[in-house]
Amino acid sequence: DAGVIQSPRHEVTEMGQEVTLRCKPISGHDYLFWYRQTMMRGLELLIYFNNNVPIDDSGMPEDRFSAKMPNASFSTLKIQPSEPRDSAVYFCASTLKGQPKDYGYTFGSGTRLTVV
Amino acid sequence: SQKIEQNSEALNIQEGKTATLTCNYTNYSPAYLQWYRQDPGRGPVFLLLIRENEKEKRKERLKVTFDTTLKQSLFHITASQPADSATYLCALAEAAGNKLTFGGGTRVLVKP
Repeated sequence: DAGVIQSPRHEVTEMGQEVTLRCKPISGHDYLFWYRQTMMRGLELLIYFNNNVPIDDSGMPEDRFSAKMPNASFSTLKIQPSEPRDSAVYFCASTLKGQPKDYGYTFGSGTRLTVV
Repeated sequence: SQKIEQNSEALNIQEGKTATLTCNYTNYSPAYLQWYRQDPGRGPVFLLLIRENEKEKRKERLKVTFDTTLKQSLFHITASQPADSATYLCALAEAAGNKLTFGGGTRVLVKP
Protein backbone atom coordinates (compact mmCIF):
# COMPACT_ATOMS: atom_id res chain seq x y z
CA ASP A 1 0.00 0.00 0.00
CA ALA A 2 1.30 3.48 -0.86
CA GLY A 3 0.02 4.94 2.40
CA VAL A 4 -1.99 8.12 2.70
CA ILE A 5 -1.32 10.28 -0.33
CA GLN A 6 -1.59 14.04 -0.22
CA SER A 7 -1.20 16.56 -2.99
CA PRO A 8 0.31 18.95 -3.63
CA ARG A 9 3.36 18.70 -1.36
CA HIS A 10 3.92 22.42 -1.48
CA GLU A 11 1.56 25.23 -2.40
CA VAL A 12 2.35 28.91 -2.59
CA THR A 13 -0.56 31.20 -3.29
CA GLU A 14 -1.50 34.81 -3.05
CA MET A 15 -3.85 36.12 -0.42
CA GLY A 16 -7.44 35.97 -1.61
CA GLN A 17 -6.94 32.98 -3.88
CA GLU A 18 -8.74 29.67 -3.51
CA VAL A 19 -6.65 26.70 -2.38
CA THR A 20 -7.63 23.04 -2.63
CA LEU A 21 -5.72 20.31 -0.81
CA ARG A 22 -6.27 16.67 -1.71
CA CYS A 23 -6.04 13.40 0.15
CA LYS A 24 -6.32 9.73 -0.74
CA PRO A 25 -6.66 7.55 2.39
CA ILE A 26 -5.48 3.97 2.74
CA SER A 27 -7.87 1.56 1.10
CA GLY A 28 -10.22 0.00 3.66
CA HIS A 29 -9.80 2.79 6.20
CA ASP A 30 -13.12 4.39 6.92
CA TYR A 31 -12.05 7.26 9.15
CA LEU A 32 -10.33 10.28 7.62
CA PHE A 33 -8.95 13.26 9.51
CA TRP A 34 -7.62 16.66 8.48
CA TYR A 35 -5.07 18.29 10.79
CA ARG A 36 -3.16 21.55 10.60
CA GLN A 37 0.30 22.00 12.15
CA THR A 38 1.98 25.28 13.04
CA MET A 39 4.84 26.14 15.39
CA MET A 40 2.54 28.19 17.58
CA ARG A 41 -0.44 25.87 17.86
CA GLY A 42 0.99 22.44 17.14
CA LEU A 43 -1.17 19.79 15.50
CA GLU A 44 -4.85 20.77 15.49
CA LEU A 45 -7.75 18.62 14.33
CA LEU A 46 -9.88 20.47 11.78
CA ILE A 47 -12.49 17.90 10.77
CA TYR A 48 -13.01 14.17 10.54
CA PHE A 49 -15.17 11.83 8.49
CA ASN A 50 -16.53 8.35 9.08
CA ASN A 51 -17.76 6.45 6.04
CA ASN A 52 -17.49 9.66 4.02
CA VAL A 53 -19.80 11.55 6.41
CA PRO A 54 -18.43 14.55 8.36
CA ILE A 55 -18.68 13.74 12.07
CA ASP A 56 -17.03 16.67 13.79
CA ASP A 57 -16.02 19.93 12.14
CA SER A 58 -15.68 21.95 15.33
CA GLY A 59 -12.00 22.54 14.60
CA MET A 60 -12.58 24.26 11.28
CA PRO A 61 -11.40 27.81 11.95
CA GLU A 62 -14.07 29.69 10.01
CA ASP A 63 -16.37 29.63 7.04
CA ARG A 64 -13.50 30.10 4.65
CA PHE A 65 -12.60 26.45 5.26
CA SER A 66 -14.62 23.58 3.85
CA ALA A 67 -13.98 19.85 3.46
CA LYS A 68 -15.64 17.15 1.41
CA MET A 69 -15.34 13.42 1.02
CA PRO A 70 -17.29 12.43 -2.10
CA ASN A 71 -16.18 8.79 -1.88
CA ALA A 72 -14.11 6.45 0.25
CA SER A 73 -10.90 7.12 -1.63
CA PHE A 74 -10.80 10.90 -1.90
CA SER A 75 -11.17 14.00 0.25
CA THR A 76 -10.53 17.70 -0.27
CA LEU A 77 -9.93 20.62 2.04
CA LYS A 78 -10.66 23.98 0.48
CA ILE A 79 -9.77 27.45 1.71
CA GLN A 80 -11.50 30.34 0.03
CA PRO A 81 -10.34 33.06 0.20
CA SER A 82 -6.93 32.23 1.62
CA GLU A 83 -5.15 34.50 4.11
CA PRO A 84 -1.50 34.66 5.27
CA ARG A 85 -2.50 33.24 8.68
CA ASP A 86 -3.59 30.04 6.93
CA SER A 87 0.07 29.27 6.20
CA ALA A 88 0.79 25.90 7.83
CA VAL A 89 1.37 22.24 7.08
CA TYR A 90 -1.90 20.43 6.49
CA PHE A 91 -1.98 16.70 7.19
CA CYS A 92 -4.50 14.10 6.24
CA ALA A 93 -4.69 10.86 8.24
CA SER A 94 -6.76 7.71 8.06
CA THR A 95 -7.34 4.77 10.36
CA LEU A 96 -8.45 1.18 10.33
CA LYS A 97 -12.05 0.31 9.79
CA GLY A 98 -14.02 -0.22 12.99
CA GLN A 99 -11.24 0.28 15.52
CA PRO A 100 -9.55 3.62 15.10
CA LYS A 101 -8.42 3.59 18.71
CA ASP A 102 -6.31 0.48 18.54
CA TYR A 103 -3.92 0.95 15.66
CA GLY A 104 -3.10 4.58 15.55
CA TYR A 105 -3.54 6.88 12.63
CA THR A 106 -1.58 6.76 9.38
CA PHE A 107 -0.59 10.23 8.31
CA GLY A 108 0.27 11.51 4.87
CA SER A 109 3.40 13.55 4.23
CA GLY A 110 1.45 16.79 4.41
CA THR A 111 0.93 19.84 2.23
CA ARG A 112 3.00 22.88 3.14
CA LEU A 113 0.83 25.91 2.36
CA THR A 114 2.29 29.38 2.13
CA VAL A 115 -0.06 32.31 1.56
CA VAL A 116 1.73 35.52 0.60
CA SER B 1 -9.60 24.37 29.94
CA GLN B 2 -8.23 21.19 28.42
CA LYS B 3 -4.48 20.92 28.00
CA ILE B 4 -1.94 18.35 26.88
CA GLU B 5 1.54 19.45 27.84
CA GLN B 6 4.89 18.15 26.74
CA ASN B 7 8.26 19.66 27.50
CA SER B 8 8.88 22.17 24.72
CA GLU B 9 12.60 22.23 25.40
CA ALA B 10 14.67 19.84 23.33
CA LEU B 11 16.12 16.83 25.10
CA ASN B 12 19.81 16.28 24.35
CA ILE B 13 21.06 12.86 25.32
CA GLN B 14 24.16 10.77 24.83
CA GLU B 15 23.96 7.64 22.70
CA GLY B 16 23.27 4.56 24.79
CA LYS B 17 21.44 6.43 27.57
CA THR B 18 17.71 6.32 28.28
CA ALA B 19 15.60 9.25 27.12
CA THR B 20 12.48 9.95 29.20
CA LEU B 21 9.71 12.21 27.90
CA THR B 22 6.69 13.44 29.83
CA CYS B 23 3.12 14.05 28.74
CA ASN B 24 0.75 15.70 31.23
CA TYR B 25 -2.92 16.36 30.64
CA THR B 26 -5.62 18.45 32.31
CA ASN B 27 -9.39 18.16 32.16
CA TYR B 28 -9.42 15.04 30.01
CA SER B 29 -10.71 11.56 30.75
CA PRO B 30 -8.73 9.64 28.16
CA ALA B 31 -9.73 6.17 27.10
CA TYR B 32 -6.26 5.70 25.63
CA LEU B 33 -3.07 7.55 24.90
CA GLN B 34 -0.79 7.20 21.89
CA TRP B 35 2.78 8.20 21.10
CA TYR B 36 3.98 9.25 17.67
CA ARG B 37 7.34 10.08 16.14
CA GLN B 38 7.71 12.93 13.66
CA ASP B 39 10.74 13.60 11.50
CA PRO B 40 11.29 16.97 9.75
CA GLY B 41 9.12 17.34 6.67
CA ARG B 42 7.17 14.17 7.40
CA GLY B 43 3.88 13.25 8.99
CA PRO B 44 3.70 11.69 12.46
CA VAL B 45 4.25 7.93 12.66
CA PHE B 46 2.40 5.81 15.22
CA LEU B 47 4.58 4.08 17.82
CA LEU B 48 2.56 2.83 20.78
CA LEU B 49 -0.90 2.89 22.32
CA ILE B 50 -1.72 2.43 26.00
CA ARG B 51 -5.24 2.14 27.41
CA GLU B 52 -6.57 3.74 30.58
CA ASN B 53 -6.56 0.41 32.43
CA GLU B 54 -2.95 -0.40 31.48
CA LYS B 55 0.04 0.71 33.51
CA GLU B 56 2.85 -0.06 31.10
CA LYS B 57 3.46 -1.07 27.48
CA ARG B 58 6.69 -2.06 25.77
CA LYS B 59 7.80 -2.35 22.18
CA GLU B 60 11.42 -3.17 21.50
CA ARG B 61 13.44 -0.31 23.07
CA LEU B 62 10.35 1.77 23.81
CA LYS B 63 8.37 1.79 27.04
CA VAL B 64 5.29 3.81 27.91
CA THR B 65 3.64 4.21 31.30
CA PHE B 66 0.24 5.69 32.03
CA ASP B 67 -0.82 7.03 35.43
CA THR B 68 -4.43 8.27 35.38
CA THR B 69 -4.13 9.50 38.98
CA LEU B 70 -1.20 11.74 38.16
CA LYS B 71 -2.68 12.42 34.70
CA GLN B 72 0.64 11.64 33.15
CA SER B 73 2.33 9.37 30.64
CA LEU B 74 6.06 8.74 30.47
CA PHE B 75 7.78 7.61 27.27
CA HIS B 76 11.19 5.96 27.52
CA ILE B 77 13.70 5.20 24.78
CA THR B 78 16.31 2.83 26.17
CA ALA B 79 19.78 2.40 24.66
CA SER B 80 19.13 5.48 22.55
CA GLN B 81 20.72 5.81 19.11
CA PRO B 82 21.32 8.83 16.86
CA ALA B 83 18.57 7.44 14.58
CA ASP B 84 16.11 8.04 17.45
CA SER B 85 16.55 11.80 17.01
CA ALA B 86 13.11 13.21 16.15
CA THR B 87 10.13 14.96 17.70
CA TYR B 88 7.88 12.76 19.82
CA LEU B 89 4.20 13.59 20.20
CA CYS B 90 1.71 12.26 22.68
CA ALA B 91 -1.97 12.19 21.79
CA LEU B 92 -5.07 11.14 23.64
CA ALA B 93 -8.66 10.28 22.88
CA GLU B 94 -11.61 10.27 25.19
CA ALA B 95 -14.08 7.44 25.22
CA ALA B 96 -16.78 9.64 23.80
CA GLY B 97 -15.37 9.89 20.32
CA ASN B 98 -12.56 9.07 18.01
CA LYS B 99 -10.92 12.47 18.04
CA LEU B 100 -7.21 12.34 18.78
CA THR B 101 -5.80 15.48 20.41
CA PHE B 102 -2.03 16.05 20.30
CA GLY B 103 0.46 17.63 22.64
CA GLY B 104 3.04 20.07 21.31
CA GLY B 105 5.79 17.47 21.07
CA THR B 106 9.32 17.18 22.47
CA ARG B 107 12.38 17.16 20.24
CA VAL B 108 14.99 14.55 21.10
CA LEU B 109 18.59 14.80 19.90
CA VAL B 110 20.80 11.76 20.50
CA LYS B 111 24.48 12.55 20.21
CA PRO B 112 27.01 9.87 19.23
